[in-house]
Formats: sequence, structure tokens, C-alpha cells
Amino acid sequence: EVQLVESGGGLVQPGGSLRLSCAASGFTFSNYWMHWVRQAPGKGMVWVSRISGDGSTTSYADSVKGRFTISRDNAKNTLYLQMNSLRAEDTAVFYCARDGSSWDFDSWGQGTLVTVSS
Amino acid sequence: QSALTQPASVSGSPGQSITISCTGTSSDVGGYNYVSWYQQHPGKAPKLMIYDVSNRPSGVSNRFSGSKSGNTASLTISGLQAEDEADYYCSSYTTSNTPYVFGTGTKVTVL
Repeated sequence: EVQLVESGGGLVQPGGSLRLSCAASGFTFSNYWMHWVRQAPGKGMVWVSRISGDGSTTSYADSVKGRFTISRDNAKNTLYLQMNSLRAEDTAVFYCARDGSSWDFDSWGQGTLVTVSS
Repeated sequence: QSALTQPASVSGSPGQSITISCTGTSSDVGGYNYVSWYQQHPGKAPKLMIYDVSNRPSGVSNRFSGSKSGNTASLTISGLQAEDEADYYCSSYTTSNTPYVFGTGTKVTVL
């Protein structure tokens, strides 16, 4: 069974940093692109970033480009999101998701809440 | 990139059928057969229900079906059940700056 478990969320001040982790199990992690998707409280979902199976290719939403960095450690079956220069508008539940067969997301974690506030 | 447009809410009685629309543009929904749908119960992880407009992943009930006409995709839930009460989001590949766009979300209520 595919399992994705996020961690690392919490309360951080504007301008601060946070690193999210997503522990994967139940599949060959290195074979899959992985994504981060966020959902602000009471709002819809927004794609944030993705990374190829070998970690060599990444892309980002314009809203986080230059501030967030996605990475992975295939030996540890773990996906990361380093978030710097955080803003109030980054407050959201962050989900990691596995890339599906066709521009979709076939498995999701339960999410971790990031709150940016002074 | 603007979110795809979905109705805020749709409701139906048990056993009825409901349809949720997802309207985009020729740069996303209308241009490609890469529309997917997700079910999200409160406080839970989203679940893939439909991919490639009309394909169901293994384990998803055949009461869920998808279709597309022009720039609008649709998710139909037939034989509505209490457990179907949840939020539903569409998503599509897009040629905009970012490769994925989600819908605004629809709350389904079973009366």
C-alpha cells in the first residue's frame, strides 16, 4: 500500500524558513516524480513544485520560485520542501503527492499545516 | 494562471445522480485530455477518482464517471450515497507558466 506521510509544518514568522518532509513507502520511490500541492484554509488546491525520480529536474509555481526548493533523498525514500522567505500568504496545508500516469496525482499524504504569522 | 471554474456546491438525494462541471480554456481543459478529479473528505487526503477525463483508477466505484465537451469537463456521481458527501476538485494539464491547474472546488451535499 502506498503511504505518504508529511511532517515539519508549524508556526513560523514572516521571513522565516521551514523544511517539510514526506516519507514514502509501499512503492519504488525513485521511479516516480513527486509533487507538493498546497491548500490555504478554506481555499482550493494549488500546485507548488515537482521533482523527477532521480532529482535532476525540478519546476515551481511562479508564486514560490526563488523562495522554495524541492529535493529528495531516494536512499531514505523522502521528499523535501525547503521554504525560505515565508509570507503570510504561504499559510496552507502542504500535501505531497505521487505523480500519476497522466498529468495527475495518484496518491496523496494527509498534509502538514504551515502557518506564517507574527 | 486562473483556477478552473466549478460550482461552489451541488446537492442531491440518495440514489439520485449529480453532475459537477469544471470550466477552463483551450489552454487547459479544452486542449488536452488530461483532466482529473479528486475527492476530499474534511481533514483527509485527496483521492484520485478520475484521470484522463474519463478513466477510473482501480478500486474507484463505477458510480463515478467523467466526460468532457469543449472547454468544460464534468464529473457525474450516480446512485448518490451518504459517503459521497465531500469536496471535489478537478485538475488539468495547462500550457501556462505552471503545468497544473486545479478547479475552485465543489462541495457535494447528500440531502
